[in-house]
Amino acid sequence: QSALTQPPSASGSPGQSVTISCTGTSRDVGGYNYVSWYQQYPGKAPKLMIYEVNKRPSGVPDRFSGSKSGNTASLTVSGLQAEDEADYYCSSYTGSNNLGVFGGGTKLTVL
Amino acid sequence: EVQLVESGGGLLQPGGSLRLSCAASGFTFSDYWMHWVRQAPGKGLVWVSRISTDGTTTAYADSVKGRFTISRDNTKNTLYLQMNSLRAEDTAVYYCARVKTGTIFTWGQGTLVTVSS
Repeated sequence: QSALTQPPSASGSPGQSVTISCTGTSRDVGGYNYVSWYQQYPGKAPKLMIYEVNKRPSGVPDRFSGSKSGNTASLTVSGLQAEDEADYYCSSYTGSNNLGVFGGGTKLTVL
Repeated sequence: EVQLVESGGGLLQPGGSLRLSCAASGFTFSDYWMHWVRQAPGKGLVWVSRISTDGTTTAYADSVKGRFTISRDNTKNTLYLQMNSLRAEDTAVYYCARVKTGTIFTWGQGTLVTVSS
């Protein structure tokens, strides 16, 4: 299973919005509404930010939103804050007989 | 509080073996598929293996197939990963994960495995 494609980096100034894309195929992103996004700070475990394309777990600010069109999913962070600077990974379900697949990660920098 | 705590990581030589454990608490362990995910230093996340609720169905990444074995003990609320014939490229932080339909709702803190001569 090939990794999903994410841009290696993204950036924005405080208060701005930034969108990170995650491109897969019809066998993963395009085939299921089970795309999730994780935030990871250096030396820490990842944290779930978005699941099932656009759902937020309890405690995740509504500045974080997700969407999907075809084989590409997106994470949008609105009203950027300094604490949003982290690595972000997308992931997709790939069917009951398979492991999931991650994107390569995007380093978000708040300028 | 839902919690996953990994243990068993360490430094070992190529060709060696290691068993990782993941102690689960705060939820009904036997209700969830469980996974192992790893992250090499400075690299991204990679799915390693998964196991069904009753332990009868497993899957592995091609890179570890035939060398790693995932198992669970629902009476002890514990997940395991037996790693044999370890290689330098297996060096990574290994995370235990509680998963539902491809979403990792809970991550452990990770345990570092270093394979080096």
